[in-house]
Amino acid sequence: DTEVTQTPKHLVMGMTNKKSLKCEQHMGHRAMYWYKQKAKKPPELMFVYSYEKLSINESVPSRFSPECPNSSLLNLHLHALQPEDSALYLCASSQVSGPGEQYFGPGTRLTVT
Amino acid sequence: GQNIDQPTEMTATEGAIVQINCTYQTSGFNGLFWYQQHAGEAPTFLSYNVLDGLEEKGRFSSFLSRSKGYSYLLLKELQMKDSASYLCAFHTPLVFGKGTRLSVIA
Repeated sequence: DTEVTQTPKHLVMGMTNKKSLKCEQHMGHRAMYWYKQKAKKPPELMFVYSYEKLSINESVPSRFSPECPNSSLLNLHLHALQPEDSALYLCASSQVSGPGEQYFGPGTRLTVT
Repeated sequence: GQNIDQPTEMTATEGAIVQINCTYQTSGFNGLFWYQQHAGEAPTFLSYNVLDGLEEKGRFSSFLSRSKGYSYLLLKELQMKDSASYLCAFHTPLVFGKGTRLSVIA
């Protein structure tokens, strides 16, 4: 199984809502990532988890809160988002957090109204 | 600082060969990656170069010169399905260039 799954595929939320994005992989990878991608732009790294511990936070606003409950799961909790946070949110995983191939999930298309 | 530069768009003909260039500047280099991303889909890994030289994988090859901060992706026998964005990236952590949108025409 070389797949990273993400749910939901699409999400529309208001600025006062609280929602969560989920990501799962069963490849035994010990590093997991959240990226944000705006239209016609490259993915931008948000968070890196290594062995279930947050190792990198790229100065992401606190309205985005990551969580890694176990080595297979990664969540991104959303609260009080702004319309400019509308984007494709990609999850990825790799064997370890050093240089190496990252496997990306299909993403969650988020629209904040 | 860190910087990656690649052309924004390229067009090539089906069956032809195309070379997509990437130049980079970084203080900590741990390898150069190429990813392919079709519109509306997730990026998929194409290649990884950590030493100078050419790595060949089927119709795709990638070249790296660390002293020049330069890489290229070579696509041979182009097919219509190769129309996509091609992202150059370096580690660590993964920093992507803006991507080159390749259009393959008949």
